[in-house]
Amino acid sequence: AQKVTQAQTEISVVEKEDVTLDCVYETRDTTYYLFWYKQPPSGELVFLIRRNSFDEQNEISGRYSWNFQKSTSSFNFTITASQVVDSAVYFCALTITGGGNKLTFGTGTQLKVEL
Amino acid sequence: DTEVTQTPKHLVMGMTNKKSLKCEQHMGHRAMYWYKQKAKKPPELMFVYSYEKLSINESVPSRFSPECPNSSLLNLHLHALQPEDSALYLCASSGRGIGNTIYFGEGSWLTVV
Repeated sequence: AQKVTQAQTEISVVEKEDVTLDCVYETRDTTYYLFWYKQPPSGELVFLIRRNSFDEQNEISGRYSWNFQKSTSSFNFTITASQVVDSAVYFCALTITGGGNKLTFGTGTQLKVEL
Repeated sequence: DTEVTQTPKHLVMGMTNKKSLKCEQHMGHRAMYWYKQKAKKPPELMFVYSYEKLSINESVPSRFSPECPNSSLLNLHLHALQPEDSALYLCASSGRGIGNTIYFGEGSWLTVV
């Protein structure tokens, strides 16, 4: 069975601070896909990034960056120079081959960015 | 803006009512999903449609009845719900293969009174 752990339930930072959201996953499959989604208070789940298990390259998109390390089964997300608009719940998720395109979500991390 | 649109955004219904949630996607996807999300919890999969056929039902009670009239529309018919069914209902779509990104709509906030 698959599992995604987001140990940080809630993080509070002051605007312009850097913040890293942790994600640790468990799966026996060698082919899998990892995702990050952002959920603001409005409710929509906004897709941020998708990574397959064969691509360990880190990625940067503006103020967002992701660090994928298979050796530690982690897929961490860093926001540089955080802004109030980054306040949301962030979910890490995993899907594997077989059994349909079903996402296994972590429990989410509530990020609060204050002025 | 999301390309998965859901209506209504908010719905309040009594336990004897019949209502429907509607979802439309304009991305040419052939897989569509219903998720349920309770407060402070991650989304939970309810149903998956692939090429307009129901492919996954996660043991959802029959008071929830999905319908996929065509490849871009997905409905969720609600009847005789309980207060504990109050939640955010999220529609989503994706390409059909494993690992394809699932794109979500804004959700429908349902309150059962």
